[in-house]
Amino acid sequence: DQQVKQNSPSLSVQEGRISILNCDYTNSMFDYFLWYKKYPAEGPTFLISISSIKDKNEDGRFTVFLNKSAKHLSLHIVPSQPGDSAVYFCAASVNNNDMRFGAGTRLTVKP
Amino acid sequence: EAQVTQNPRYLITVTGKKLTVTCSQNMNHEYMSWYRQDPGLGLRQIYYSMNVEVTDKGDVPEGYKVSRKEKRNFPLILESPSPNQTSLYFCASSRGRGPDTGELFFGEGSRLTVL
Repeated sequence: DQQVKQNSPSLSVQEGRISILNCDYTNSMFDYFLWYKKYPAEGPTFLISISSIKDKNEDGRFTVFLNKSAKHLSLHIVPSQPGDSAVYFCAASVNNNDMRFGAGTRLTVKP
Repeated sequence: EAQVTQNPRYLITVTGKKLTVTCSQNMNHEYMSWYRQDPGLGLRQIYYSMNVEVTDKGDVPEGYKVSRKEKRNFPLILESPSPNQTSLYFCASSRGRGPDTGELFFGEGSRLTVL
């Protein structure tokens, strides 16, 4: 039973445009949400997080939005750059226990 | 340099031959965990440890064992590997619980093939 779902396996955008990666979850107890980025042959690296008491968190070109009523979060990258091409994982946890990950979305940013 | 180190990075073995994947972190993190990554399933947690001598099962613990005798090390043991344990394994650590401490630091991964 996947409690965190990323329904788009892949996304392709043009350089300079906005990338929007989506994530849905089913467990209303999740209180901490994170996005990780993974390049080939490397481990995932932390990108940005948000706690359930917020609905938006911004870090440079990256913004995460949380809609608790819809159990949905999204990651916006603007402007997108070719170096952003990677697999992005959404993750969620309850009090940082047992972090659950989505299946990932492969983002390709075309020059 | 802060890092999580896994070994081996690549391993091909045969069914039933016991193996251990080591994991070590140099950040004095309390929390460590093991994940496996499979196509279409993302990262699934195998076991985690909140501190020394404290371990607990994740989503997919069957066929695996762990131990946490020291804070820095968290080995993953496959007593009798089977082909369905062919996967990419990641060890991760974090400072602890709660927002702003829960960021996971991952190792580079260990690709295991069981024939």
